[in-house]
This record gives sequence, structure tokens and C-alpha cells, in this order.
Amino acid sequence: DAGVTQSPTHLIKTRGQQVTLRCSPKSGHDTVSWYQQALGQGPQFIFQYYEEEERQRGNFPDRFSGHQFPNYSSELNVNALLLGDSALYLCASRPSLAGERNEQFFGPGTRLTVL
Amino acid sequence: LAKTTQPISMDSYEGQEVNITCSHNNIATNDYITWYQQFPSQGPRFIIQGYKTKVTNEVASLFIPADRKSSTLSLPRVSLSDTAVYYCLVGDIIRSGAGSYQLTFGKGTKLSVIP
Repeated sequence: DAGVTQSPTHLIKTRGQQVTLRCSPKSGHDTVSWYQQALGQGPQFIFQYYEEEERQRGNFPDRFSGHQFPNYSSELNVNALLLGDSALYLCASRPSLAGERNEQFFGPGTRLTVL
Repeated sequence: LAKTTQPISMDSYEGQEVNITCSHNNIATNDYITWYQQFPSQGPRFIIQGYKTKVTNEVASLFIPADRKSSTLSLPRVSLSDTAVYYCLVGDIIRSGAGSYQLTFGKGTKLSVIP
């Protein structure tokens, strides 16, 4: 089992550009969440996808959008990049029927640098 | 969501037991307490979860007093590889897939293990 995988590992963009990050969840997981982690801070929840729909959203602008595919993989899109979007972007997955265990499995993240 | 307060950093020597305390004065009746560990340039990893009293697994123990306004993560005989940031999270767990729980991270406690 490969666990949660993310691509690319690193990315450098300039202000105003658009970026797409990709995530494959752990085998058997159907719910995917995205988090943004700025340097020295804890991860901040962006949104969550289940059954190809956005189910929950954190306090992020509409420039942040996503998609979930039938195979449960997911993409995070960020438009009109700002310097402040530089961060580690983490994908996390869990099975929808996880019961009371509050465990999400995180990928290694994509390090985005906006110049 | 209940707010959590934990020390910014802690130092410990190898082989010692480390206790990290988290305050969550406004914890709600349905809230669980969950701890995650994060190594540099990696995603967070679930350590342990509890509701009340004591929970122990192969990695750590979690002590929760009767009033549940705080909790203590205990790491027995730490090694250099335990150097990481430890996050305390408090929140409800919604069991349906459509409304799965979003993780709310604070800044965490940076634990440095010294040889």
C-alpha cells in the first residue's frame, strides 16, 4: 500500500499564475481533504471532498478550488497566485465509514513557492 | 471548535519520559481529543485519541482528567527520532461520510530530544 501520494513534490510559480496540485488517497479511502501549512504554523483546512463533491470548506477564498475524480483522487487548483500562497500543501484521506477514530492519513505534501 | 493551548517548545534528553500538556477549557461533551505528530517536510501522523481517563497504545499514552479541560500526551523513553512537532486537536467526530470531521490544528509543541 503506497499510502497517500502527492505530486509534484516542489513547485515554483510567479504571482498571478495558476497551479494544480494532485493527490491520490490511500487505498480504500474515499474522502480527501486539503490543508495549507505556512512555515512555522499548523496545517489549515482548505476543503474536503467526498463522492466528487465539496462537502466542507475552510476560510479560504474562491481562488482555491478543487475536484475529486471517480477513482477518489483529487486536485487542488489555485488561481491568481499571491506571495502569501507560498506554503506546504497537504492532502489527507480517510474512509468515510471510519467510525469514531479521528485519523486522517497525510501525504508528504507539495511545497509551493510563489515569487 | 474548542481552542487548545500547548507549550510552544520543549527539550528532553534521550531515554526520558516526556509529558506534553494541552489545555482545552471549552471542550464540548461530544468532543474527542486527538494528538498528531509531524516531522519536518512530512505530513502529520495520527498518534492517539481519547475521550476520558487513560488511553495507551504502542507509541504513547493519553491522560484525560475527569473535567476533560486538559489532556497530557506521554511519550515513554524518547529517542532522537521523536524530535517533531506535536499537535493537540479537540473536536467532534461526525460519523457520516458527507459530514466528516475537519481537523483544526494549532501551532503545536516543538519537541527537541537531546543526545
